[in-house]
Amino acid sequence: GAVVSQHPSRVICKSGTSVKIECRSLDFQATTMFWYRQFPKQSLMLMATSNEGSKATYEQGVEKDKFLINHASLTLSTLTVTSAHPEDSSFYICSASRVEIALETQYFGPGTRLLVL
Amino acid sequence: AQTVTQSQPEMSVQEAETVTLSCTYDTSESDYYLFWYKQPPSRQMILVIRQEAYKQQNATENRFSVNFQKAAKSFSLKISDSQLGDAAMYFCAYRSDESNYGGSQGNLIFGKGTKLSVKP
Repeated sequence: GAVVSQHPSRVICKSGTSVKIECRSLDFQATTMFWYRQFPKQSLMLMATSNEGSKATYEQGVEKDKFLINHASLTLSTLTVTSAHPEDSSFYICSASRVEIALETQYFGPGTRLLVL
Repeated sequence: AQTVTQSQPEMSVQEAETVTLSCTYDTSESDYYLFWYKQPPSRQMILVIRQEAYKQQNATENRFSVNFQKAAKSFSLKISDSQLGDAAMYFCAYRSDESNYGGSQGNLIFGKGTKLSVKP
């Protein structure tokens, strides 16, 4: 149990377009989902925390109007990179915490590699 | 603010041998959780082991065990009988258990990682 999926796994888009990344908890309900960004050979940087049915909480320095997060249900959160630019190219990873047990443990999705041309 | 430090950017171990990865952290809280995550070349983050700060007993998961020294704020990971599949980046992470998380609701604070190579 505790499987998290992400879609797409890889996306290439033109500068100025928007890209949506989905994060799903497949076999559990997630009260909280987290979105991270990881540059090559670096650690994970938390971008925002989302709770089902409420607005996401963004980390300092992360533009909420550029990185739109929606947590519509207990199994789905989406991250939309609006008007993407080459500097947005990165590896985006989501994670989820279970509702019923082990709330403190985060289970990670496989990540989405975004390349903006 | 809490910080997590992994002082070994890279480590190497011979197959079947034992290796220990270091992690120290800084916090003023008494209740928290500590984790080791593994990130292989696929970049999928995999939970290796977790430790509750209120537990004195060191967590173990098969070949993986930790040495949790709360007073020293140290949380090292020992991998026994190393296998080629253990080669990966290993991240140590801290999570507060405080009821008021403020702006970051129970998020993980990661160290910079240790790249482990396993030699056949």
